[in-house]
Amino acid sequence: QKEVEQDPGPLSVPEGAIVSLNCTYSNSAFQYFMWYRQYSRKGPELLMYTYSSGNKEDGRFTAQVDKSSKYISLFIRDSQPSDSATYLCAASNFGNEKLTFGTGTRLTIIP
Amino acid sequence: GAVVSQHPSRVICKSGTSVKIECRSLDFQATTMFWYRQFPKQSLMLMATSNEGSKATYEQGVEKDKFLINHASLTLSTLTVTSAHPEDSSFYICSARVRDRLSGNTIYFGEGSWLTVV
Repeated sequence: QKEVEQDPGPLSVPEGAIVSLNCTYSNSAFQYFMWYRQYSRKGPELLMYTYSSGNKEDGRFTAQVDKSSKYISLFIRDSQPSDSATYLCAASNFGNEKLTFGTGTRLTIIP
Repeated sequence: GAVVSQHPSRVICKSGTSVKIECRSLDFQATTMFWYRQFPKQSLMLMATSNEGSKATYEQGVEKDKFLINHASLTLSTLTVTSAHPEDSSFYICSARVRDRLSGNTIYFGEGSWLTVV
């Protein structure tokens, strides 16, 4: 079993829809959770960073972490074609900067 | 925000030659940098942790003599793929940790380097 599981998709939604991306993890020691966006042939770009459980909102993006169920979510409101990319969730232990990535979900926003 | 720069973005080399990829932190000091490898449509796999002034820590299964890592300064880490073979062709990405008092550790990635060995 992988430490971080993510549905690879692909996921296609119409422009303006709310997108829900999810990951599960198995390592209880994970305390830092991140979402990265990666465009084709580019390095990952940090979108959201969350410590422990709770919600964090930044513009159209909301990240949620539920440590009790080991579930990580990213919501994108008012989705735009420019949001089309691969979204990677990642987690790390406290004091350990090694990131463990999910496989990434390929998202396409249809105009 | 923090910026991590990688160079070259693309490189083609002949089989048997060595290739060096640079990773720089542009506006912060990075005592620790990380090197990842990503195959098409797959996730990032950590290869090694680069520590300034000391030896790199390699992940299981990664050949130390094949992938030489040097972290000679607080802003520069290099990955040298030695005696490259076609199976080494991949997307190599570095990252660096920024220590922020409010948010703790934040990891930023470079733009990546495409290596093609012919």
